[in-house]
Amino acid sequence: GAVVSQHPSWVICKSGTSVKIECRSLDFQATTMFWYRQFPKQSLMLMATSNEGSKATYEQGVEKDKFLINHASLTLSTLTVTSAHPEDSSFYICSARDLRALPGLASDTQYFGPGTRLTVL
Amino acid sequence: DAKTTQPTSMDCAEGRAANLPCNHSTISGNEYVYWYRQIHSQGPQYIIHGLKNNETNEMASLIITEDRKSSTLILPHATLRDTAVYYCIVRLSLRQGAQKLVFGQGTRLTINP
Repeated sequence: GAVVSQHPSWVICKSGTSVKIECRSLDFQATTMFWYRQFPKQSLMLMATSNEGSKATYEQGVEKDKFLINHASLTLSTLTVTSAHPEDSSFYICSARDLRALPGLASDTQYFGPGTRLTVL
Repeated sequence: DAKTTQPTSMDCAEGRAANLPCNHSTISGNEYVYWYRQIHSQGPQYIIHGLKNNETNEMASLIITEDRKSSTLILPHATLRDTAVYYCIVRLSLRQGAQKLVFGQGTRLTINP
């Protein structure tokens, strides 16, 4: 249980195009998903928190108009990198929050997808 | 927000126990300690988490000191596949329903044959 998938696993695109990345929780419902970005030899940086049925909450310094997040269902969140440029090339990782372990309590666990490697030429 | 401190890197021989320390001296009473690991070019993998008591699962054991200011992740019989970056994270509690993880630099664990 607690499997998270991402699609595509890698993508190469031309500068100026938009790229959509999907994050799915396969065997549980996730009201909250998170999007991270990781540059080579660096740690994960949280970009935004995605809540089902409402607007995403972006971290300071992340452009909401450039990184569009949609969380239309309890099992799917999408990240669209609009007008991508070479500096957007990175490893994008999502996670989904699974509340099943201890329902009703503060403890919960996030499970991560395998990541999507974006290369913008 | 509680911050964690981990050694940058560690080595361990295959078959031996790998003990990864983590300091979190500013942890508050309702914050949990989480451990994840990231194998190269993959998403982080959940290992274990705890609040006060020691915890054990099929992957590892988590030992939390009585004052909760530090913890140790133990991989009892390390294999080459355990080579990864290990992250110790104290979970920030923003409000009910939104609890984000903040990743530090982690410990790069290398298991040697």
